[in-house]
Amino acid sequence: DAGITQSPRYKITETGRQVTLMCHQTWSHSYMFWYRQDLGHGLRLIYYSAAADITDKGEVPDGYVVSRSKTENFPLTLESATRSQTSVYFCASRAAGWGNTEAFFGQGTRLTVV
Amino acid sequence: GESVGLHLPTLSVQEGDNSIINCAYSNSASDYFIWYKQESGKGPQFIIDIRSNMDKRQGQRVTVLLNKTVKHLSLQIAATQPGDSAVYFCAEMEAGGTSYGKLTFGQGTILTVHP
Repeated sequence: DAGITQSPRYKITETGRQVTLMCHQTWSHSYMFWYRQDLGHGLRLIYYSAAADITDKGEVPDGYVVSRSKTENFPLTLESATRSQTSVYFCASRAAGWGNTEAFFGQGTRLTVV
Repeated sequence: GESVGLHLPTLSVQEGDNSIINCAYSNSASDYFIWYKQESGKGPQFIIDIRSNMDKRQGQRVTVLLNKTVKHLSLQIAATQPGDSAVYFCAEMEAGGTSYGKLTFGQGTILTVHP
């Protein structure tokens, strides 16, 4: 199916465990983003990527690792999960080019760290 | 039960009224300003954007105003409908420089439309 998909949709993990959230898009968009959204708050940028093998830190990168070996995939790894990382995580993609401002978001992954 | 700690501003309007949602931004280097709508349980959806060299842009039932002097952005929704109930976020994007392509979000506003 065309679009942007995140997996899993829901995840419960224990403190200290490593967990990876997956993001896949079928448009070959150059840009991909990871955000976290805490209950009742806005979206905070964790990492973004302008192309395969190019990633940059956002506002809240500590505790997270990303990679982008292929254009269509942008996994987010929590190396050692903490309770403060309990959140809803959104992945997004956007085409490159001046004027292309529309980012397309996945359905989100609700992560609970216990 | 779960405590819902809502920290976002709220706006309540009657169906048919016009709504105005405001946003203050901080980055003077942003090249585009964008409005997104987020319905419950979903990811944000693009509504409209405005380039930094413009002060007004109109879409279908929506108008965005940009005041760079006071770093203020607003979204006007005409004839608001119950389906417009959602959280609205402003966002900024730099199209050049070291933060090329970076998309950051501002504070959201919860819009509730009463029938």
